[in-house]
Amino acid sequence: GENVEQHPSTLSVQEGDSAVIKCTYSDSASNYFPWYKQELGKRPQLIIDIRSNVGEKKDQRIAVTLNKTAKHFSLHITETQPEDSAVYFCAASTKGNEKLTFGTGTRLTIIP
Amino acid sequence: DTGVSQDPRHKITKRGQNVTFRCDPISEHNRLYWYRQTLGQGPEFLTYFQNEAQLEKSRLLSDRFSAERPKGSFSTLEIQRTEQGDSAMYLCASSLGQPGQPQHFGDGTRLSIL
Repeated sequence: GENVEQHPSTLSVQEGDSAVIKCTYSDSASNYFPWYKQELGKRPQLIIDIRSNVGEKKDQRIAVTLNKTAKHFSLHITETQPEDSAVYFCAASTKGNEKLTFGTGTRLTIIP
Repeated sequence: DTGVSQDPRHKITKRGQNVTFRCDPISEHNRLYWYRQTLGQGPEFLTYFQNEAQLEKSRLLSDRFSAERPKGSFSTLEIQRTEQGDSAMYLCASSLGQPGQPQHFGDGTRLSIL
């Protein structure tokens, strides 16, 4: 089955700087890659997603890049703000088998 | 609020008891998923439904676990003879039926086994 690895497990960034979180996946048939933000005690919230026919997607300060050949994808957050502090999860799924396989999460701390 | 709702938010029970959780998906979503999340980990897939049909069950879902979605709307997840290892957050998500549609999560039910 699919295996998703995520790095780093913790990340501290000065406010205003950029943060990058990286994930790799094992199943070359995976074609959908969402990113979720989870604040303490709250539900995972979808912040951005990308499909395998696209190499990059951007939404304001958040962007995701996908390299299908290397089987890795990354989340980029620019101009970080204190409210960006949370745990971020990457995930992958395969067409026809829609379950999400999640990474182990990255705890992002924005230092004011 | 038209998001995914789960009930109860918290459940504390003694080992060996049975528990049942409920999930109400977003109304137009015909896919419904159950995940389990333990502290410091990402959600792990348990099972999912397309309308009332249960299409896949994880190996994590032992025979003590059963899920239903009888009318293709809300779903229930029952755990029989609970064990300490069942303590976790049980998350429900829903999505539209087309491939690659975003899954939207509820707030989860936190289960604590005494």
